[in-house]
Amino acid sequence: KQEVTQIPAALSVPEGENLVLNCSFTDSAIYNLQWFRQDPGKGLTSLLLIQSSQREQTSGRLNASLDKSSGRSTLYIAASQPGDSATYLCAVNTGGFKTIFGAGTRLFVKA
Amino acid sequence: NAGVTQTPKFQVLKTGQSMTLQCAQDMNHNSMYWYRQDPGMGLRLIYYSASEGTTDKGEVPNGYNVSRLNKREFSLRLESAAPSQTSVYFCASSEWDGRNEQFFGPGTRLTVL
Repeated sequence: KQEVTQIPAALSVPEGENLVLNCSFTDSAIYNLQWFRQDPGKGLTSLLLIQSSQREQTSGRLNASLDKSSGRSTLYIAASQPGDSATYLCAVNTGGFKTIFGAGTRLFVKA
Repeated sequence: NAGVTQTPKFQVLKTGQSMTLQCAQDMNHNSMYWYRQDPGMGLRLIYYSASEGTTDKGEVPNGYNVSRLNKREFSLRLESAAPSQTSVYFCASSEWDGRNEQFFGPGTRLTVL
């Protein structure tokens, strides 16, 4: 059974710092992996999607990598800003219509 | 282009009451999903609809029913609400275009007293 873990559960960094959020999964047979951002009381916003055949995806200051063999994905945020404060969720699709979500990392960027 | 919309945004029910959560998408996606999100846990799939006319159970379907009304709309019904169904409910949609990227609505916060 696929399990998705995000560590740490919460992270506080000063503005301007580069940071890495981690996501690990137990079964390497995945279809894709998606990173989301969730602001308090809001829905999920898709940030990046990495397909099984890809190693990384980039969007602006965000870079997501995927290593299926080790069951890991990282989300790199460059030059963090207070507006980046949110919860970041990792989700693994194992094929079919079922997606397994991690519990998220709550990020706080201090001005 | 509104994406995925959900109504209502908030709802308070008493135990035993029923209600329907509505979801609509304007991205012409074939697949739609209902999730619930509880504190400290990841989102869990309640039901999904692979395409118009089909629905299937997810991880936590007990106590819920769904209807795929047409390609745009997918509703979730609680027939007899229980306190354990207090949660935030999210609707999502996707298209199997090689990516299957999921797009989410703003959520419905439901409290069952």
